[in-house]
Formats: sequence, C-alpha cells, structure tokens
Amino acid sequence: EVQLLESGGGLVQPGGSLRLSCSASGFTFSSYAMSWVRQAPGKGLEWVSALSGSGGSTYYADSVKGRFTISRDNSKNTLYLLMNSLRAEDTAVYYCAKDRIYSSEPSNFDYWGQGTLVTVSS
Amino acid sequence: DIQMTQSPSTLSASVGDRITITCRASQSISSWLAWYQQKPGKAPKLLIYKASSLQSGVPSRFSGSGSGTEFTLTISSLQPDDFATYYCQQYISEWTFGQGTKVEIK
Repeated sequence: EVQLLESGGGLVQPGGSLRLSCSASGFTFSSYAMSWVRQAPGKGLEWVSALSGSGGSTYYADSVKGRFTISRDNSKNTLYLLMNSLRAEDTAVYYCAKDRIYSSEPSNFDYWGQGTLVTVSS
Repeated sequence: DIQMTQSPSTLSASVGDRITITCRASQSISSWLAWYQQKPGKAPKLLIYKASSLQSGVPSRFSGSGSGTEFTLTISSLQPDDFATYYCQQYISEWTFGQGTKVEIK
C-alpha cells in the first residue's frame, strides 16, 4: 500500500525558514518523480515544486522560485522541501504527491499525503 | 503559463442528478488532463487521468471527456458521497489546477 507522510510544518515568522519532509513507502521511491502541492486556507490547489526520480531535474512555480528548494534522499525514501524567506502568503497546507507513472510521458499525481500545515505569522 | 478555468464555481444538485463540470485550458493540452475530488480536511483523490481514463477503484458513474482546450467531468447519478470539491489539472507543461467546483446539496 502506497503511503506518504508529511511532517515539519508549524508556525514560523515572516522571513524565516522551515524544512518539510515526506516519508514514502509501498512503492519504488527512486523510480517516481514527486511533487509538493499547497492549499491556502479556504483556497484551491497550487502546484509548488517537482523533482525527478533521480533528483537530477527540478521544477518550481514562479511564486516560490529562488526561495524554496526541493530535494530527495532515495536511500531514506524521503522527499524534502526547504522553504526560506517565508511570507504570509506561503501559509497553507503542504501536500506531497507521487507521479502516477514513471516514464518520459507527462504524468499527474495518483497518491497524496495527508498534508502538513505551515503558518507564516508574527 | 497555461491557465485552467472551471465552471461553475458552485453547483447545487440532488442525489440521483446527472451533473457536468467544465474545464477550459488557455491553450491546447491535448488529453493531458486529470480530475480530482477533495473533501474538507482531506487530500485530493485522483478520479480521471488522460482526460477520460478512470483511475482504478473509482466508481463508473464518474466519466471524463474532451481534448484540446475543453473538457468535462460528468457524474451520471450523484451519490451522497459525491458532495465535494472537484479540481481539474493540466500536466502537459508543469502542472496547473483549476480553481475548483464545489458540488453542494440542493
């Protein structure tokens, strides 16, 4: 059974940093690209960042480019999101999500974690 | 960037109704479109991928159609468990979600 478990959320002051983790199980982690998707309170879904299975290719939404860094440790089956220079508008539930397929074909997400809440406030 | 626009934003319906949600892309995305269902406090759940392929375990009352820039999600007979918010997502060029359609009880 595929499981994704996020952790690391919490309250942080504007300008601060936070690192989120997503622990994966039930599939060959290194074979699949992974993404972070966020949802501000009462709002819709916003894709944040993606990382290829090997870790060699990274992708970022314009809203977080230069501030967030996605990475993975395939030996630990864990995905990370390092968030720097946090702003109030980064307040959201952050989900990690697994690509549905592993190939060169475009892929959507088939499994999601339960999410971790990040609150940026003084 | 590809923009995704859903309509309506809110849909009021009754159990047993047939409902349709529309999603339009700002440029052609071929069939690289997915639909998700989300309930309050829960993670999104994949329903449809590649515009019309039903994800394993999803009831057959859900169906998707379309290609290019216009897509639809249809629920043939609305069930109590289907009252939720639905999102479309393009995945031909990074990933973009529509703003969501809330299906509420009439």
